[in-house]
Amino acid sequence: DTAVSQTPKYLVTQMGNDKSIKCEQNLGHDTMYWYKQDSKKFLKIMFSYNNKELIINETVPNRFSPKSPDKAHLNLHINSLELGDSAVYFCASSQAITRAEFHEQYFGPGTRLTVT
Amino acid sequence: DQQVKQNSPSLSVQEGRISILNCDYTNSMFDYFLWYKKYPAEGPTFLISISSIKDKNEDGRFTVFLNKSAKHLSLHIVPSQPGDSAVYFCAASPFSSASKIIFGSGTRLSIRP
Repeated sequence: DTAVSQTPKYLVTQMGNDKSIKCEQNLGHDTMYWYKQDSKKFLKIMFSYNNKELIINETVPNRFSPKSPDKAHLNLHINSLELGDSAVYFCASSQAITRAEFHEQYFGPGTRLTVT
Repeated sequence: DQQVKQNSPSLSVQEGRISILNCDYTNSMFDYFLWYKKYPAEGPTFLISISSIKDKNEDGRFTVFLNKSAKHLSLHIVPSQPGDSAVYFCAASPFSSASKIIFGSGTRLSIRP
C-alpha cells in the first residue's frame, strides 16, 4: 500500500498547455510538499502546506498553483507550460510535530514532466 | 547559489569496505542536517539526521559526522553492501524555517563485489 502516491508518473505535453499533477498520502501526516528536481539533479522545494495552509512558497512562477482540498492531498497545477518546466516533480509529506519529524519526509515516486 | 554542495558526483567502493560521502555547506544559519538515499525511479528516502548541537549520530551501519567550524558533514557506511548502491543527497535546514530543506546535488554510490 503506497504511502505517498503521485499521478501521473510520466507527463508529456506541449508548450502553452495547462496540466495538473496529483498527490495523495495515506500516512495521516499534517504537512505536504512539492519539490522540483532540475536537470542538474538539485531537489528544490517549491511549496509546503500544513493542515491545508500554505507555509512555504519559494520563488516559483505564479503559473504554478498548489491546491490542497484536504490534509491527505496536495495537487500541483501548472498553467501555460514552458520548456524550462521540464523536470521531475516530487511530492512529499511529514508529520511535523517535532523538528526531527519535519525532516523525516516521505517522498512519492516522482512525476517526470516533459514539455515539448 | 549552492548552499549545500556535494563535490563528488560519484563514488565506487568495494563491498565490505567503508563508504565515505562528503558534503559542505555555506549557510551558517543551518542547524539541522540530513542524508537521504534515492534509488532509480523512486523518491528519496530519509536515512539519518544530525542536529548542530551534536557532532556525531549513529544508526546501525550509518554514521553522520558534523564539523561546524569547517561547515562540513560526512556520511560513513560500514560495511558497505550491494544494496547501498544509490544516490545519496545531503540536505540542511535553517532554524528559522524548520520544514524547509535545502538539498545538495547528490553523490552516486556504487558498491562493487
